Amino acid sequence: GAGVSQSPSNKVTEKGKDVELRCDPISGHTALYWYRQSLGQGLEFLIYFQGNSAPDKSGLPSDRFSAERTGGSVSTLTIQRTQQEDSAVYLCASSPGQLGAYGYTFGSGTRLTVV
Amino acid sequence: SQQGEEDPQALSIQEGENATMNCSYKTSINNLQWYRQNSGRGLVHLILIRSNEREKHSGRLRVTLDTSKKSSSLLITASRAADTASYFCAPLATNFGNEKLTFGTGTRLTIIP
Repeated sequence: GAGVSQSPSNKVTEKGKDVELRCDPISGHTALYWYRQSLGQGLEFLIYFQGNSAPDKSGLPSDRFSAERTGGSVSTLTIQRTQQEDSAVYLCASSPGQLGAYGYTFGSGTRLTVV
Repeated sequence: SQQGEEDPQALSIQEGENATMNCSYKTSINNLQWYRQNSGRGLVHLILIRSNEREKHSGRLRVTLDTSKKSSSLLITASRAADTASYFCAPLATNFGNEKLTFGTGTRLTIIP
C-alpha cells in the first residue's frame, strides 16, 4: 500500500478482555516499531522489529503485552486481560532499512479505550 | 535513556514569526529526527540530521545539532497557521548494532493568525 495501515482505527473493549491491533507496514520495509501514546503525552517505545533479527521487546510494559511479525511484514500487537491504564493510541511505524535513514512512516494509530 | 526532551513544552507565536524548539538527549546517537503530529494521531517525518552534521535545511525548516552538548534545535521560519501542531525530536541510538528510536513529550506549537 501507499502508507502504513493500522486497524482497527478505534477499539472499545471491556476490562479483562484481550485485544489484537494490526499494523500493515509499507511493502519492503524491514524495520517496524510499535509505540503507545497516552493523551497529551509523548510516545512510549514498546517493541522494534528489524528483518529476521530477534525483536527488541524492552519497552513492553508487562507480560500481558506481546507482538509478532509474520513473514517480515504484517505485525500484530496483542494485549491480554486489558486494564484501564492500557487506554491510549497505539502507533506503528516502518522504514526501508536500518537507522531510519529516510525517516519513519507512521500509521494513523489505533485508539484503544478500555471500559 | 535516549529519550529526547523538548523545550519549551508549549509555544504560541504570531503568524509570520519564527519558532524555535529545542531538544536535549542523554546518550550518543547515530542521528536525530524531528517529527510533527497533528490531532494526536500519526506523526510525519520532517527532517533527519546525522551525528556528523551540524546544520541542515529543508524549506522553511532549519535543524542544528551539537553533539558535544547533546542538543538540537528546530527553527521554523515565517510560520503559518498550518504549522500549528506538536513537534517531537527523536534521537536514534545504536547499541551493538541494535537501534532504538525514542521520543520526548513534544512541543505544542500554536500559530496565531
